[in-house]
Amino acid sequence: GQQVMQIPQYQHVQEGEDFTTYCNSSTTLSNIQWYKQRPGGHPVFLIQLVKSGEVKKQKRLTFQFGEAKKNSSLHITATQTTDVGTYFCAGRGSGYSTLTFGKGTMLLVSP
Amino acid sequence: DSGVTQTPKHLITATGQRVTLRCSPRSGDLSVYWYQQSLDQGLQFLIQYYNGEERAKGNILERFSAQQFPDLHSELNLSSLELGDSALYFCASSGLKEGSADTQYFGPGTRLTVL
Repeated sequence: GQQVMQIPQYQHVQEGEDFTTYCNSSTTLSNIQWYKQRPGGHPVFLIQLVKSGEVKKQKRLTFQFGEAKKNSSLHITATQTTDVGTYFCAGRGSGYSTLTFGKGTMLLVSP
Repeated sequence: DSGVTQTPKHLITATGQRVTLRCSPRSGDLSVYWYQQSLDQGLQFLIQYYNGEERAKGNILERFSAQQFPDLHSELNLSSLELGDSALYFCASSGLKEGSADTQYFGPGTRLTVL
């Protein structure tokens, strides 16, 4: 079945440093979504990418979808303590299928 | 607040017991998903219902079952509980229609502890 791998598992940065998490699928995706889960909270939808090579920005967050629609990345510029949490990618295969979540990247930001 | 509610928030029970987790989706959402989250396994998709019918199955054990009722709320039943079933169980809902992509709105989760 479809597998979604996410790296790194964990990253600890100083406030102001950049952060990137990468997501790779074993199969071509129709779209990919990103979610953020704060400590003690539930996953919250951030964004969805659909087109090959698509790049979307949300303030300091930049999301990319690879040309082959098998990988994606989330880059945070100048991290803040409010960015702390676990970031999940979730890919959807072709046709009608459910989302497959990566295991997430836990981000810790020290002031 | 996502609009998805889950009860109870916490549940502590013993091995061999049976529990029921309840989820009410966002108003108007027809799809309900159940996920299990444990430290080492991330978010594992269990099962999806759409307008009362089972739509997709993931890594759901035979000891687990779910249903979606006419009012669209859903229940996840976990039986013959084992220590390894201790986890956070999330329900999510979406307005997913056949063939379209949609976002999922997660509830606050139910933390199950099996002693």
